[in-house]
Amino acid sequence: AQTVTQSQPEMSVQEAETVTLSCTYDTSESDYYLFWYKQPPSRQMILVIRQEAYKQQNATENRFSVNFQKAAKSFSLKISDSQLGDAAMYFCAYRETTSGTYKYIFGTGTRLKVLA
Amino acid sequence: GAVVSQHPSWVICKSGTSVKIECRSLDFQATTMFWYRQFPKQSLMLMATSNEGSKATYEQGVEKDKFLINHASLTLSTLTVTSAHPEDSSFYICSARSSTGGSYGYTFGSGTRLTVV
Repeated sequence: AQTVTQSQPEMSVQEAETVTLSCTYDTSESDYYLFWYKQPPSRQMILVIRQEAYKQQNATENRFSVNFQKAAKSFSLKISDSQLGDAAMYFCAYRETTSGTYKYIFGTGTRLKVLA
Repeated sequence: GAVVSQHPSWVICKSGTSVKIECRSLDFQATTMFWYRQFPKQSLMLMATSNEGSKATYEQGVEKDKFLINHASLTLSTLTVTSAHPEDSSFYICSARSSTGGSYGYTFGSGTRLTVV
């Protein structure tokens, strides 16, 4: 069964600095999707960035980028120029493409604190 | 963008009563709806997956008779917590996969905080 691991329960970053959140996963599939979701105090889940496994190029969305290492099964999120509004829980999620269940497997989350 | 409206946002009910939570996809057709439960400071735990017009598929350990899921249309799915007890108090979130495939990510509702007293 697929698993997603976020080994950092909590991280802190100074405003305007850069922080990297780690995520590793385990799967025997070759094609799948990976996502990072943000959950602020409102608890609304917000998609931050997505990566398709067959694409070697790392996804980028403004200040957010990923380092996708398929062989190592690693999918880290880098937040540049951190802002106070980035403070939230961040969840890494895996979604397979072949079984037809379409469900996400979430990591345990990393709480990001942004220090002014 | 795609929006999923979830209601109510919070509800308090007495032990033994039933509570219904609704999730509506406002501008797209949701072929699949996922229902999650989230405890404080924890991750989302998938409870069940429902496809429009079909019976829901429940995850192991989730009581089917307690958590009734209905997905009768492409825009509405409901979760009914029957005979609620204090241990059912939690945060419930729905997530919808659109008929276009959802490879760009699923849309989440804003969640429902249930408190059973």
